Amino acid sequence: DARVTQTPRHKVTEMGQEVTMRCQPILGHNTVFWYRQTMMQGLELLAYFRNRAPLDDSGMPKDRFSAEMPDATLATLKIQPSEPRDSAVYFCASGLVTGFGYGYTFGSGTRLTVV
Amino acid sequence: QKEVEQNSGPLSVPEGAIASLNCTYSDRGSQSFFWYRQYSGKSPELIMFIYSNGDKEDGRFTAQLNKASQYVSLLIRDSQPSDSATYLCALYSSASKIIFGSGTRLSIRP
Repeated sequence: DARVTQTPRHKVTEMGQEVTMRCQPILGHNTVFWYRQTMMQGLELLAYFRNRAPLDDSGMPKDRFSAEMPDATLATLKIQPSEPRDSAVYFCASGLVTGFGYGYTFGSGTRLTVV
Repeated sequence: QKEVEQNSGPLSVPEGAIASLNCTYSDRGSQSFFWYRQYSGKSPELIMFIYSNGDKEDGRFTAQLNKASQYVSLLIRDSQPSDSATYLCALYSSASKIIFGSGTRLSIRP
């Protein structure tokens, strides 16, 4: 089965450090989303790309977060500097959109703990 | 008002009964709707999607959509303990984003 691959699965870092999360979308999918999930806020959309172009990153704190898609096989989410409130599970999801929005496949997530 | 509203639960249903999960949304331009299931510590998994008003059935699952009332529901027939999970309602909005509700925790009691 095709799947979305996220690395690392777990990350513990100290406040102020840079964190980079990576996502390999399913081959042929043209849309990639980054979500953050916490108990309090649920799944929050941070950013998304269509055909590698950023369409919306309004959900991201711009001063510390950045999202890029350098090629069709890699999407990255960076936090610099990291803060304890960034502790969450970060999910990447990919899908093929041709008009209607179809269901997206999620990766296993990166569990980030900032101490 | 949140874009997608769900009752957080927990919703407790006896094994073998029908579980009914509900969701309302605010964006009338939303085109398609999804139900994801998420087990604790796991990623969301797509179980149903629906575009048109009415019912869509897949095995024990039935999704219902009423665009006039801005309402989506998921029925799970013959509930099993393995159905215990959090169910996330999501939509593809007029702004071309997938927006999630906060989820309903479902517990199937033996």
